[in-house]
Amino acid sequence: DTAVSQTPKYLVTQMGNDKSIKCEQNLGHDTMYWYKQDSKKFLKIMFSYNNKELIINETVPNRFSPKSPDKAHLNLHINSLELGDSAVYFCASSHDPQRGTDTQYFGPGTRLTVL
Amino acid sequence: EDQVTQSPEALRLQEGESSSLNCSYTVSGLRGLFWYRQDPGKGPEFLFTLYSAGEEKEKERLKATLTKKESFLHITAPKPEDSATYLCAPRYNTDKLIFGTGTRLQVFP
Repeated sequence: DTAVSQTPKYLVTQMGNDKSIKCEQNLGHDTMYWYKQDSKKFLKIMFSYNNKELIINETVPNRFSPKSPDKAHLNLHINSLELGDSAVYFCASSHDPQRGTDTQYFGPGTRLTVL
Repeated sequence: EDQVTQSPEALRLQEGESSSLNCSYTVSGLRGLFWYRQDPGKGPEFLFTLYSAGEEKEKERLKATLTKKESFLHITAPKPEDSATYLCAPRYNTDKLIFGTGTRLQVFP
């Protein structure tokens, strides 16, 4: 009965490679998010999608491209990986923030290591 | 730019020793303040949401309060299992959560 799930949990790859992280939620939420947590544990939002539409797009390199095939899924594709992309990436979901009840529930995280 | 500051950065308590964590935030445009707990290697776990000054919420040994400029997370008679990083995150008109850097709490038996 996992609420927000991410795969893979760990991802180790070489610089320059392209990789994807998948996220799924079974909470019936219509808004999903990607966050990056760096080595100093600072958690910062990257993107949010509401009903498959991009709502928040922070200052993130365009090597990062989110894709939402449906309301329950939000994947993150990263091109030409760099050393500085090493971090833990968290997916989260919530009801539409505009409707009030907007608590965000987080997945377990994907630890990306770029060598 | 919206700001959030948490203090202390780290806190070591003996089991049963009550204390408080602080979260200071930019006031204008606040649309809710969220508290999360994060265990090592895991995602943040939701604890509380506070929406207006004077509001309080409780859960077991934790009580969150909100004033006009800051929020407190009070921990009463903590146990070792309360050890975690506690994150606060105000939300503004942009609908983004702005996370603080957290308070790392260690409770020793």
